[in-house]
Amino acid sequence: ETGVTQSPTHLIKTRGQQVTLRCSSQSGHNTVSWYQQALGQGPQFIFQYYREEENGRGNFPPRFSGLQFPNYSSELNVNALELDDSALYLCASSSVAGAIGELFFGEGSRLTVL
Amino acid sequence: AQKITQTQPGMFVQEKEAVTLDCTYDTSDPSYGLFWYKQPSSGEMIFLIYQGSYDQQNATEGRYSLNFQKARKSANLVISASQLGDSAMYFCAMREGLGGATNKLIFGTGTLLAVQP
Repeated sequence: ETGVTQSPTHLIKTRGQQVTLRCSSQSGHNTVSWYQQALGQGPQFIFQYYREEENGRGNFPPRFSGLQFPNYSSELNVNALELDDSALYLCASSSVAGAIGELFFGEGSRLTVL
Repeated sequence: AQKITQTQPGMFVQEKEAVTLDCTYDTSDPSYGLFWYKQPSSGEMIFLIYQGSYDQQNATEGRYSLNFQKARKSANLVISASQLGDSAMYFCAMREGLGGATNKLIFGTGTLLAVQP
């Protein structure tokens, strides 16, 4: 059983650019959620995808968008990057939306915006 | 509004001793779940233990146990027989609702645990 994998692991962008982060969910998982973790903080929920539809969103502006594909992998897109977008972006998968128990997290993509 | 508070920015513990990491929560929903995650320097969040608001007994998973005091709204993590590999950030998190539509977790700010030989 493969775990959650994210790419790229590290990247550097400049203000105003756009970035796409990718996540492959754990085998058999159909729900993917994305979190932003700023330095020294706990993760904050961005949004969740279930069966290719966004079905939950945190307090993030529309320039944060996403996709889920038929194989349940997912992308996080951030447009018009700002300095405060520098963070670790974590992807988590689970088997059923809202199921009790663990979310399986990837190791994250560390984004630096200059 | 739902909130998780972890008041210990950092903790030291001697190898083989037990340590308690504090977590208090605030929610108006009678149904909720409480989680503890470990985050080593690699960045991955590793699930440790879960407690549902209606669970009668405290959750245990190997060396991890959750001291759930509902009236005090606390959910402290107890690690017994600490090991050097336990050194990491530890996050307490909450989800409102026991099933629900989202996996939105509210995280605390974390506690950095250092296990000393």
